[in-house]
Amino acid sequence: GQQLNQSPQSMFIQEGEDVSMNCTSSSIFNTWLWYKQDPGEGPVLLIALYKAGELTSNGRLTAQFGITRKDSFLNISASIPSDVGIYFCAGQSRGGSQGNLIFGKGTKLSVKP
Amino acid sequence: DAGVIQSPRHEVTEMGQEVTLRCKPISGHDYLFWYRQTMMRGLELLIYFNNNVPIDDSGMPEDRFSAKMPNASFSTLKIQPSEPRDSAVYFCASSLTGFLRSPLHFGNGTRLTVT
Repeated sequence: GQQLNQSPQSMFIQEGEDVSMNCTSSSIFNTWLWYKQDPGEGPVLLIALYKAGELTSNGRLTAQFGITRKDSFLNISASIPSDVGIYFCAGQSRGGSQGNLIFGKGTKLSVKP
Repeated sequence: DAGVIQSPRHEVTEMGQEVTLRCKPISGHDYLFWYRQTMMRGLELLIYFNNNVPIDDSGMPEDRFSAKMPNASFSTLKIQPSEPRDSAVYFCASSLTGFLRSPLHFGNGTRLTVT
């Protein structure tokens, strides 16, 4: 079946540093989504990407849909303590339905003040 | 907007007991999804509904799991009998439509521990 490989699994950084994480898939994806999960809460959508090559920003966050359509990355600039959480990529390779969405296993981000 | 509401937040039960998890989606959302989150497998879709009708339950692991949506504002996920390997965080999510341009809104989850 389809697989999403998300890396790194965890990151420990100093406040103010930039962060980069990525996802790769075993098949071509039509959509890439990036979610953040705060401790004790459900995931919240950060950025949605719908076209190959698309680069989208949301504040200090920037995500790109890879040209090959098999990867995506998320960058966080000038990290702050509230960036702590688990970041998930999610993608879909067929149809346009939420029911076809699969999630990566997440990147756990820790920020040291 | 109260968001998706799940109850209970935490459930601890003994193996063999019946467990019922509850979800109230955002008003007006036509789609409701049940996910399970574990360290090993990440977030997995169990089942989803459109206008209270189950559309795809292929992610439900076994016959011990069942889900219902009797009306547009309430859904349950039941496990009977529960087993220790069912321990996980169960999320309910809703969306306005079933298309990916309509974001999923997740509840805060129910952490289930089966001893």
